[in-house]
Amino acid sequence: DAGVTQSPTHLIKTRGQQVTLRCSPKSGHDTVSWYQQALGQGPQFIFQYYEEEERQRGNFPDRFSGHQFPNYSSELNVNALLLGDSALYLCASSLGDIISYGYTFGSGTRLTVV
Amino acid sequence: GQQLNQSPQSMFIQEGEDVSMNCTSSSIFNTWLWYKQDPGEGPVLLIALYKAGELTSNGRLTAQFGITRKDSFLNISASIPSDVGIYFCAGPLISSGSARQLTFGSGTQLTVLP
Repeated sequence: DAGVTQSPTHLIKTRGQQVTLRCSPKSGHDTVSWYQQALGQGPQFIFQYYEEEERQRGNFPDRFSGHQFPNYSSELNVNALLLGDSALYLCASSLGDIISYGYTFGSGTRLTVV
Repeated sequence: GQQLNQSPQSMFIQEGEDVSMNCTSSSIFNTWLWYKQDPGEGPVLLIALYKAGELTSNGRLTAQFGITRKDSFLNISASIPSDVGIYFCAGPLISSGSARQLTFGSGTQLTVLP
């Protein structure tokens, strides 16, 4: 039973560029949430997608956008990259949009902006 | 916004020793979650707590949901080398009557010395 799959695992981009990160949820899960984890910090909520709609958004600028596909997979897009966007981006999946038992996290995409 | 304060920030212990860490908040939480994150991986759920005063065990791990609902504790007994990692507390942020995102503490880095 595959867990949460994220791609790519590592990425280096130049300031001002755009990036797309991808996530496939755990089998049986229909909700995807994205988190940003800066070095030495806990994960920070970016947004949640359920039924192909953004259901909740954290305190992130609209340079951060996302999408959920009919097969429940999801993409995170970041435009006009800043050096401060360098972080581990975690995808988490769950069943239903209300948290009851926590998430299953993927291993993340390490984004470095130079 | 809601913040979770974890302590200590880091711990160095001898193999076989017991470990205790805690998490406090100025806000009430209805659920407390404890995660562990290994290097290069996403957080993995260790224990979930749903009721004030609840004491729950998972092998050598024991966690408690504080009576005030503003704190939680995690204890690890007889530590072993594979306990090394970062431990995070987390709780659902209630927004507009729903819990769709987790707030994480800043983590406790545990090092186990042979």
